[in-house]
Amino acid sequence: QVQLRESGPGLVKPSETLSLTCDVSGYTITTGYYWGWIRQPPGKGLEWVGSFYHSGSTYYKPSLKSRLTISTDTSKNQVSLKLTSVTTADTAIYFCARGIGIAVTPLHFDSWGRGLLVTVSS
Amino acid sequence: SYELIQPPSVSVSPGQTASITCSGDELGSKYACWYQQKSGQSPVLVIYQDTKRPSGIPERFSGSNSGNTVTLTISGTQAVDEADYYCQAWDRTTADIVFGGGTKLTVL
Repeated sequence: QVQLRESGPGLVKPSETLSLTCDVSGYTITTGYYWGWIRQPPGKGLEWVGSFYHSGSTYYKPSLKSRLTISTDTSKNQVSLKLTSVTTADTAIYFCARGIGIAVTPLHFDSWGRGLLVTVSS
Repeated sequence: SYELIQPPSVSVSPGQTASITCSGDELGSKYACWYQQKSGQSPVLVIYQDTKRPSGIPERFSGSNSGNTVTLTISGTQAVDEADYYCQAWDRTTADIVFGGGTKLTVL
């Protein structure tokens, strides 16, 4: 059974870069599926951030595209997120999740990590 | 940008049927799914591809898609079903995975 675990700093200063890692166990990320990041500001709803496809392609939320990079370390079976020039609006719980799709059309996320709260504050 | 609209809250008595709607342009031509999120927990997939139920999800959860609205129905609602529910779909035009704003289900 696949397991996902997010890690990274819980506090980031405004204008700096937010860097998170998702450790995946129980499945090799390059074998199939896609691997996504979803965030949730405290007390608010879910927002998709971006996804990495096992084929090597990445897809980003249009409004975050200029600040966002999702990459992988296949030797460690990890998916990473980097979000630059953060503001307080980027404060959220960040979830890593496994996605299922048809070809390059994403459908749903069937497994989620526990999430990591990242606060942007000076 | 593409939007999915959900009612902020729905209330239901135990044992009754709860229906949560999610509306969006041409939603009927897309696949939608539903997540349940209990307080302080990660979301759990309860319905995918409009009507399918993952293994382990009780049969009282069902989904439908008609026109521009998808509906999550919980039959014989139990207190344990109290949670926030989110719909989600993919918008090909904007290449965006979109979530609805969420519906808080109260069982009282």
